[in-house]
Amino acid sequence: QSALTQPASVSGSPEQSITISCTGTSSDVGGYNYVSWYQHHPGKAPKLMIYDVTKRPSGVSDRFSGSKSGNTASLTISGLQAEDEADYYCSSYTSSSSWVFGGGTKLTVL
Amino acid sequence: QVLLQESGPGLVKPSETLSLTCIVSGYSISSAYYWGWIRQPPGKGLEWIGSIQHGGSTYYKPSLKSRVTISVDTSKNQFSLKVTSVTAADTAVYYCARDFKWGSMDVWGKGTTVTVSS
Repeated sequence: QSALTQPASVSGSPEQSITISCTGTSSDVGGYNYVSWYQHHPGKAPKLMIYDVTKRPSGVSDRFSGSKSGNTASLTISGLQAEDEADYYCSSYTSSSSWVFGGGTKLTVL
Repeated sequence: QVLLQESGPGLVKPSETLSLTCIVSGYSISSAYYWGWIRQPPGKGLEWIGSIQHGGSTYYKPSLKSRVTISVDTSKNQFSLKVTSVTAADTAVYYCARDFKWGSMDVWGKGTTVTVSS
């Protein structure tokens, strides 16, 4: 069970849009619509931003959206704001009846 | 408001057993959902350890399964994590969380740091 693959870092200017990818296999991301995304500010608890690939929990800004194509899921943040600067992690259910996280992506707002 | 709070020793000796408890308030864990443990080693990403369903079914990360036990105590509204034969690689911030739907963890504890060292 290997970690899902995410870019180590992405960056964007305020008001721009960025996309973070999360690549797995047909045994995890590609096989199930149970992909979640978390925002993690260092020293704080992670926050659920997207679940079931595309759904937003109550209270999460609609600037955050999720999608999936094949074995790759994506998180898009539009209208970047300074407060979006954080680490982002994807996770997926797997065929081993377990869950796996991605390696994490550090988002820098320039 | 649902709150989760991790508790347990901050220092564990190599080869011993790490034991943590997650106290849940604002929701009865016997009602529904899964309840999970996640950790983050220093400088690394999040790692899912395992989860327990409110009825007691457990799911573990395959590579940790031989050393990990998660249990629930509904009378105290808490669930626990035990990791045996710990090494320095088990040093991490440990989080407990509520999994409301297939790996969607919507409520997290603040995390507790556990260091494995002699």
